[in-house]
Amino acid sequence: KAGVTQTPRYLIKTRGQQVTLSCSPISGHRSVSWYQQTPGQGLQFLFEYFSETQRNKGNFPGRFSGRQFSNSRSEMNVSTLELGDSALYLCASSPIFFGGGLRYEQYFGPGTRLTVT
Amino acid sequence: AQKITQTQPGMFVQEKEAVTLDCTYDTSDQSYGLFWYKQPSSGEMIFLIYQGSYDEQNATEGRYSLNFQKARKSANLVISASQLGDSAMYFCAMREGSGGTSYGKLTFGQGTILTVHP
Repeated sequence: KAGVTQTPRYLIKTRGQQVTLSCSPISGHRSVSWYQQTPGQGLQFLFEYFSETQRNKGNFPGRFSGRQFSNSRSEMNVSTLELGDSALYLCASSPIFFGGGLRYEQYFGPGTRLTVT
Repeated sequence: AQKITQTQPGMFVQEKEAVTLDCTYDTSDQSYGLFWYKQPSSGEMIFLIYQGSYDEQNATEGRYSLNFQKARKSANLVISASQLGDSAMYFCAMREGSGGTSYGKLTFGQGTILTVHP
């Protein structure tokens, strides 16, 4: 079974530009979560999607948005990029949602490393 | 306030020895889950072990065990018989039960870099 894939793996953008990152979950997984990882702030939750609906959102400005498609693939978009948006963006998928309790694992992709210059 | 605290920025261990990575947490929920993930230099997060707040026994997964002390709100990871491939960043994370219909949010600690010496 293929793992979580994220594209692109590396990206360099200029301040003020916008960027779209893509995540394809493991086949059959319907929940997708996004995290931002920086040396200063560590790993921070961005948002979670299930059935094309955002179920939860972290404490990030409105420049950060996302969506999920009917095939569970997800994209996140960052508009008007700032230098502080340079980070590793990790996507994670999960096989169950409601009724899964707290045990279910999130399977992470390799991440997209975004550099803003 | 920090919900997950990992006080050891870096740890060193000799190959084949055991090492304990510390994690303390803070939550007002009665139901919560604690996770440990390993992140090699490649960046991918690898699930290691899980402990539920209602689990009476400490979790074990192969060479990994979790020393869960609920009253102290600590969930330390013990790696036995360390291997060179264990060198990585290790994160403690928590999922709180008050998430309602959302279970996708994990709160992570700052991580501990483990270096295994031959």
